Amino acid sequence: KAGVTQTPRYLIKTRGQQVTLSCSPISGHRSVSWYQQTPGQGLQFLFEYFSETQRNKGNFPGRFSGRQFSNSRSEMNVSTLELGDSALYLCASSVGAANNEQFFGPGTRLTVL
Amino acid sequence: DQQVKQNSPSLSVQEGRISILNCDYTNSMFDYFLWYKKYPAEGPTFLISISSIKDKNEDGRFTVFLNKSAKHLSLHIVPSQPGDSAVYFCAARRSGNTPLVFGKGTRLSVIA
Repeated sequence: KAGVTQTPRYLIKTRGQQVTLSCSPISGHRSVSWYQQTPGQGLQFLFEYFSETQRNKGNFPGRFSGRQFSNSRSEMNVSTLELGDSALYLCASSVGAANNEQFFGPGTRLTVL
Repeated sequence: DQQVKQNSPSLSVQEGRISILNCDYTNSMFDYFLWYKKYPAEGPTFLISISSIKDKNEDGRFTVFLNKSAKHLSLHIVPSQPGDSAVYFCAARRSGNTPLVFGKGTRLSVIA
């Protein structure tokens, strides 16, 4: 069974631009969660999607948004990028609820210049 | 307000000795706890978990202990191996469709 895949793996953008990251969950997994990892801050929860509906949302500004498609693939979008958005963005999938065992992808390393 | 705290950013242990990673939490509603391991350039991988109805769970070289009254859990790795060098994240959840809450991680270095 293929694992969670994320594209692209690396991305460089400039301030003010927007970016879209993609995540394909493990086949059969319906829940997709997104996390931001920055040095010293651990994994901070962005949002969770289940069956195309946002089920949970973390404490991030509205510039961060996401969606999930009928095949469970998910995208997250960050608009008006700021330097502080530079981070590793991780996607995780699970069979049902997001608080079950989650399987993580390798992440997308976003650098904002 | 950080609900899951890993107060040691790093830990260095000699190969063959015991590694003890600690985690404290503040939310008494948490009822399930997990440890994840992360290597550079990879996503975190699930290691071991424990339910609040237990105080110990063991899986091979890895044992997690839970002290509910102290709101503290620890991960023991015995014996430590160089391949265990990674960042370890503690995570907690409460029942219902609520997301996992992660600590900031502890970087473990096992020295040969």
